Amino acid sequence: DTAVSQTPKYLVTQMGNDKSIKCEQNLGHDTMYWYKQDSKKFLKIMFSYNNKELIINETVPNRFSPKSPDKAHLNLHINSLELGDSAVYFCASSQVLTGLENEQFFGPGTRLTVL
Amino acid sequence: RKEVEQDPGPFNVPEGATVAFNCTYSNSASQSFFWYRQDCRKEPKLLMSVYSSGNEDGRFTAQLNRASQYISLLIRDSKLSDSATYLCVGLDTGRRALTFGSGTRLQVQP
Repeated sequence: DTAVSQTPKYLVTQMGNDKSIKCEQNLGHDTMYWYKQDSKKFLKIMFSYNNKELIINETVPNRFSPKSPDKAHLNLHINSLELGDSAVYFCASSQVLTGLENEQFFGPGTRLTVL
Repeated sequence: RKEVEQDPGPFNVPEGATVAFNCTYSNSASQSFFWYRQDCRKEPKLLMSVYSSGNEDGRFTAQLNRASQYISLLIRDSKLSDSATYLCVGLDTGRRALTFGSGTRLQVQP
């Protein structure tokens, strides 16, 4: 019973391509997130959605576009991939946005390699 | 300056040792703090929330000093299975976003 799942787990693609990563959570949470973990292992938030509404949109190139068709899904589409986009992308979800109850559950990650 | 800074590590300790990790934060808007654990090539998982009065969960003790903007994690009687990267995390209530430190790697040796 995977709580937060992501597909694909690995993604190898050429520069300039467009790709999507899918995320689904079966925890009944209202909030979902996308994080990027770079080669130095630094984990940084990209987007968050609460009840399908965009809450956080950090300084991310507009080549990155999240889409939330419903509360249980938050997909990430990336246009015109660049070498610097190579990283591990984690999806996460939480029941609440703030407070010590904001435990975030992470998916297994998608390792994106741009050649 | 990063919002959350941690000891870079790695910490190499023998089994049974007590080890402490420190973390400082610069954003006074951060209201809640957590320690997450990340195993190699795995996703982060919540280890414990950090309460203002300090809290303990088995062998793990977390402390928060708001005046000094300092958070700590103490692990007693280290086990081999404690080997991982420990991430200090602040929650900015205004932005409703978690800010992660870069992590401290712990290697417990037999």
